[in-house]
This record gives sequence, C-alpha cells and structure tokens, in this order.
Amino acid sequence: EAQVTQNPRYLITVTGKKLTVTCSQNMNHEYMSWYRQDPGLGLRQIYYSMNVEVTDKGDVPEGYKVSRKEKRNFPLILESPSPNQTSLYFCATTGGSSYNEQFFGPGTRLTVL
Amino acid sequence: AQSVTQLGSHVSVSEGALVLLRCNYSSSVPPYLFWYVQYPNQGLQLLLKYTSAATLVKGINGFEAEFKKSETSFHLTKPSAHMSDAAEYFCAVSDPGGSYIPTFGRGTSLIVHP
Repeated sequence: EAQVTQNPRYLITVTGKKLTVTCSQNMNHEYMSWYRQDPGLGLRQIYYSMNVEVTDKGDVPEGYKVSRKEKRNFPLILESPSPNQTSLYFCATTGGSSYNEQFFGPGTRLTVL
Repeated sequence: AQSVTQLGSHVSVSEGALVLLRCNYSSSVPPYLFWYVQYPNQGLQLLLKYTSAATLVKGINGFEAEFKKSETSFHLTKPSAHMSDAAEYFCAVSDPGGSYIPTFGRGTSLIVHP
C-alpha cells in the first residue's frame, strides 16, 4: 500500500529541546516537502526536496532544518524549538506519473511549551 | 508566480443542500488545479484534479469542479450535502511545466447542519 508515514503523531516538548519529526514514503517519489498548518493561514511550505541531497527553502523556513540522505526519508529538525512553532505539520510527496498530486502523511501535532 | 484565493473561510449548509466552495487562481501559464479535503484529525487527501483534459472534473464522494479559464475559477460543487462532508477543503494550483511546488489556498471549512 502506497503511504507516507510520520512520527511521532503527537509531541509536547519544551522550548530549546531539539527534536526531529520523521517522514518516510514507499512510492519512490523524487519530491518531498514539509508544511505547517495554522488556523486561518492554511498550509505553508517549510522546506522541500527535489531529490536526494537536493533541498530548498519554502515560504517559512526559519527555525527548521531538513536533510535528504535517502530517497524515502525526509526528516524535519527543530534545533531549538520555540512556542511559535506550535503547529500541525504535514509531510507530502509527489513524483513519477502523479503529476503534481501531493500525497500527504497523517500529520504531527507539535506543542512547544 | 501563482496564487489561490478561496472565498469564505467558513461555509455553512443544511444537509441535502447544494455545496459551493469557491476558488480563484492566478497563474502565468495554463495550470494544474486541485481540491484536497481534510477530515478532522486526518491528513489531506485528493478530492479531484484538473490537468488540461475535460474542464468538468468529477471526484470522489459526489464532488465535481469546473475549470473556467475566462473566470480563472475552479469552484467545487456537490448537489446534495451530507453530514459526512463536514471537513476542511483546500484548493491548490501548480505549474505543469515547472517544479512540483503547489500553492495552496487558505482553506474553507464546510459546516453541515442537520
């Protein structure tokens, strides 16, 4: 079954404590991205990757890092989380014959105290 | 550059009534257009997409959308709302000749009353 997985699904942490949210896909897609969803603001892209070792900033990259060492994985790293990063995060992939259709993970709800 | 405007952050309808969610886009090239749905506590899933074939696109759960180039619109409709349609709906646009990067609207929350 084609799927995008994220872990953890829920996370409560404190300011400054480094964390990583993992994203993995089994569709062999080249393109992966991270979004955050906030009420009234819709989906905003944080970072994206066109392929292994190729990443670029989206609309709201400040405070985040990513890496793409393998095609299937695209972790999101918060080196020093702050309360304004409390949000719902989605990983998404596309590629091959999907023609820009995004496949989304189930989301990670992050709370930074 | 491309952009999407969804008119109305909330739309309220009665069960059995017509659903109309509005989406207008801006794009310098003929775009690909999408509607995604997000049910409570879930990720987004594709409802339907326009990729330059038929202008009237049918999707899942009885939804459809019509691409109108002259109006730069891609409104989503359903003849008869069901309680299970209550969700957040997102319109998105992307450039078929460019990168895979879509632009999303801010979303419209559909509320269905009994």
